[in-house]
Amino acid sequence: GQNIDQPTEMTATEGAIVQINCTYQTSGFNGLFWYQQHAGEAPTFLSYNVLDGLEEKGRFSSFLSRSKGYSYLLLKELQMKDSASYLCAVKDSNYQLIWGAGTKLIIKP
Amino acid sequence: NAGVTQTPKFRVLKTGQSMTLLCAQDMNHEYMYWYRQDPGMGLRLIHYSVGEGTTAKGEVPDGYNVSRLKKQNFLLGLESAAPSQTSVYFCASSELEGQYNEQFFGPGTRLTVL
Repeated sequence: GQNIDQPTEMTATEGAIVQINCTYQTSGFNGLFWYQQHAGEAPTFLSYNVLDGLEEKGRFSSFLSRSKGYSYLLLKELQMKDSASYLCAVKDSNYQLIWGAGTKLIIKP
Repeated sequence: NAGVTQTPKFRVLKTGQSMTLLCAQDMNHEYMYWYRQDPGMGLRLIHYSVGEGTTAKGEVPDGYNVSRLKKQNFLLGLESAAPSQTSVYFCASSELEGQYNEQFFGPGTRLTVL
């Protein structure tokens, strides 16, 4: 079966750095996405990785290792507004997105 | 541009009642999707459409029907609602098939079936 694993909840301090991990087992791989979802709102796109390595976009970076079936999202200089759920999703061989359950990130002052 | 819109935002149904959720997008996207989101679970694909007049089943299609009569609209129908269909429903759209293909989401419909 297809599976995406990520921690259920993480806590971090304002101004710090946090890394949210995602491991996946899917039938085929056509890219990995990270989305942010604030409580009660729709998911919004953060990043996309299809090749191994690090993609940086401002305070957010995303890393991919296809051989390990592993990705992480790195958030730097955390702000209170970063409190949200972070969803990892993998596009499988049929180009369907398989979603993880999401990691709820709590930022404390 | 409004992006992706959904109506209604909230709805309470009794078991056995029917309803239709409407999704509209103004980005001229070919692909549209209906997901449900339940606590502790990832988004699950109900049905999707690869273009006007087409529909296809996703991961959890039972109990739902869809129609895509116009490119900009994607309707999700519940013929006989059940408590197990209590969920948050998200519609999404994307431009084309392929690897990099960001999905844009609507604000969601919170459905409770009593």
